[in-house]
Amino acid sequence: KAGVTQTPRYLIKTRGQQVTLSCSPISGHRSVSWYQQTPGQGLQFLFEYFSETQRNKGNFPGRFSGRQFSNSRSEMNVSTLELGDSALYLCASSREKGTLTLGRTGELFFGEGSRLTVL
Amino acid sequence: LAKTTQPISMDSYEGQEVNITCSHNNIATNDYITWYQQFPSQGPRFIIQGYKTKVTNEVASLFIPADRKSSTLSLPRVSLSDTAVYYCLVDGGGNRDDKIIFGKGTRLHILP
Repeated sequence: KAGVTQTPRYLIKTRGQQVTLSCSPISGHRSVSWYQQTPGQGLQFLFEYFSETQRNKGNFPGRFSGRQFSNSRSEMNVSTLELGDSALYLCASSREKGTLTLGRTGELFFGEGSRLTVL
Repeated sequence: LAKTTQPISMDSYEGQEVNITCSHNNIATNDYITWYQQFPSQGPRFIIQGYKTKVTNEVASLFIPADRKSSTLSLPRVSLSDTAVYYCLVDGGGNRDDKIIFGKGTRLHILP
């Protein structure tokens, strides 16, 4: 079956602009989480969505936002871009597991990411 | 939130067994331990997951002592293609409000 698809794969923006990234999860997966990856900070959790509701949010400013649609596809938006927002943005999907089986997230399936460069 | 600590980097040679240890001192009762592998410019890929004792699959083994405050990922007979970053993740089995926290990962370099 098709994996997690992220678009666009690469993009270049300038400071002050805004960007929207898209993530299509694996069919049947209802949970989508987003991460920012930079060389210095590693993988940092941005937010998680389940059934169109944001379930949790990482320690990022309000410029970072997201949403999930009824078909489980998700988007994240970053407004007023800063140079430090340059990063690989990864999306992961998972099946919602029972509370005591395979952890809350079960296996996370990641997309290949969207590499954002802010000039 | 259970924070994880891993070595920043490790070197080994082809054909050797590699063990990467992750510390998670404040792991909660319902937390599971999961390991991911990441190659450059790719998303992480699931390797193995466990709750206690030992879990083995076709690519790795995961050893978890009784107190569960640490875990060890064991890669048997590594090859050059195992050069990657390995992340340990502690995930709450019952608490849906927990953030998903990845550590800084261990950069494993396999030498010929």
